Amino acid sequence: DAGVIQSPRHEVTEMGQEVTLRCKPISGHNSLFWYRQTMMRGLELLIYFNNNVPIDDSGMPEDRFSAKMPNASFSTLKIQPSEPRDSAVYFCASGTFGNTIYFGEGSWLTVV
Amino acid sequence: QQQVKQSPQSLIVQKGGISIINCAYENTAFDYFPWYQQFPGKGPALLIAIRPDVSEKKEGRFTISFNKSAKQFSLHIMDSQPGDSATYFCAASNHDMRFGAGTRLTVKP
Repeated sequence: DAGVIQSPRHEVTEMGQEVTLRCKPISGHNSLFWYRQTMMRGLELLIYFNNNVPIDDSGMPEDRFSAKMPNASFSTLKIQPSEPRDSAVYFCASGTFGNTIYFGEGSWLTVV
Repeated sequence: QQQVKQSPQSLIVQKGGISIINCAYENTAFDYFPWYQQFPGKGPALLIAIRPDVSEKKEGRFTISFNKSAKQFSLHIMDSQPGDSATYFCAASNHDMRFGAGTRLTVKP
């Protein structure tokens, strides 16, 4: 079975540019999570969806960040405009409500 | 916003020794407590998990001990091996899933 699929795996962009990270969750999972991982702050929950509906976006750092889940098989995390402090690994994870979540391989973002 | 507190930050153990990582939580609504293992360049992967209706769960060399009244749980790795060297995260979940800060484990040969 395919796991959680994230793209791109690596992205280097210039400050001020728009960044779009993509995620395909595991089929049948009804919860989807976006996390950001940095050395300083560890694994931070940015937002999570249940049945395609955003439940809690209190972890989204600023209005520059937005996330959508237009259907059960696709989600995006967008940063516009990007800043150097957004450099991190962004993970998408999916699961069934209240149970184990499974992570993708991450999107490594560098903003220069 | 650290809802799950994890210690130690790093741990060095000799091969064959026991590795112990501790976590504490505040929110009594949490009802699922997994541990994840992460290797460099990879996403975290589920190692073992427990629900609060049991006090211990063992899978191979990995054991979770859970103390509901103290709101603490721990991971024990018996007979630690160099291949166990990784970062370990505890987590707690109700609807969302919150992670501890992570423990970098190094097992020396």
